[in-house]
Amino acid sequence: KQEVTQIPAALSVPEGENLVLNCSFTDSAIYNLQWFRQDPGKGLTSLLLIQSSQREQTSGRLNASLDKSSGRSTLYIAASQPGDSATYLCAVGRSSSGSRLTFGEGTQLTVNP
Amino acid sequence: NAGVTQTPKFRVLKTGQSMTLLCAQDMNHEYMYWYRQDPGMGLRLIHYSVGEGTTAKGEVPDGYNVSRLKKQNFLLGLESAAPSQTSVYFCASSPLLGTSQPQHFGDGTRLSIL
Repeated sequence: KQEVTQIPAALSVPEGENLVLNCSFTDSAIYNLQWFRQDPGKGLTSLLLIQSSQREQTSGRLNASLDKSSGRSTLYIAASQPGDSATYLCAVGRSSSGSRLTFGEGTQLTVNP
Repeated sequence: NAGVTQTPKFRVLKTGQSMTLLCAQDMNHEYMYWYRQDPGMGLRLIHYSVGEGTTAKGEVPDGYNVSRLKKQNFLLGLESAAPSQTSVYFCASSPLLGTSQPQHFGDGTRLSIL
């Protein structure tokens, strides 16, 4: 059974700092890995999707990496801003039909002005 | 373009009552999913559908039923609500497997069972 773990559970940083969020998974036979953002009382917004054949994806100040062999992914946020404050969720997609996702519990990020 | 719309946004039920949560997507996606989100548990898949007229069980299907009579709609039913079903329910959709498109989520339904 796939298990996804995110460390740390919560993180508080001053504005402008570069930071890394970690995600680990137990079964390397994945289809893809996705990073989502969730604001309080809202649904999930997709940030980056990395296919199993890829090593990283970038979007603006965000960079996500994937190392299937070690079962790890990182989300790097450059020059953090207060607007980045949210919960960040990592999810692993299975290769079986339906593209089902297994989620980690998330990292709650607070960026202080 | 509304994306994924969930109805209702909030609901309070008494134990034993029944209700149906509606999810509608306007992106012509083949796959649709129902998740529940609980503190300390993350999001867990309840049921999913790989196309119109099909449904399948996820991780935590007990106490729920689903139907996908139309491609754009995915209904989640609680026949006899229990306090353990108090949760935030999210619907999501995605295109066919093999694309690099992520799942799109609705804003959730907050359900309390008294």
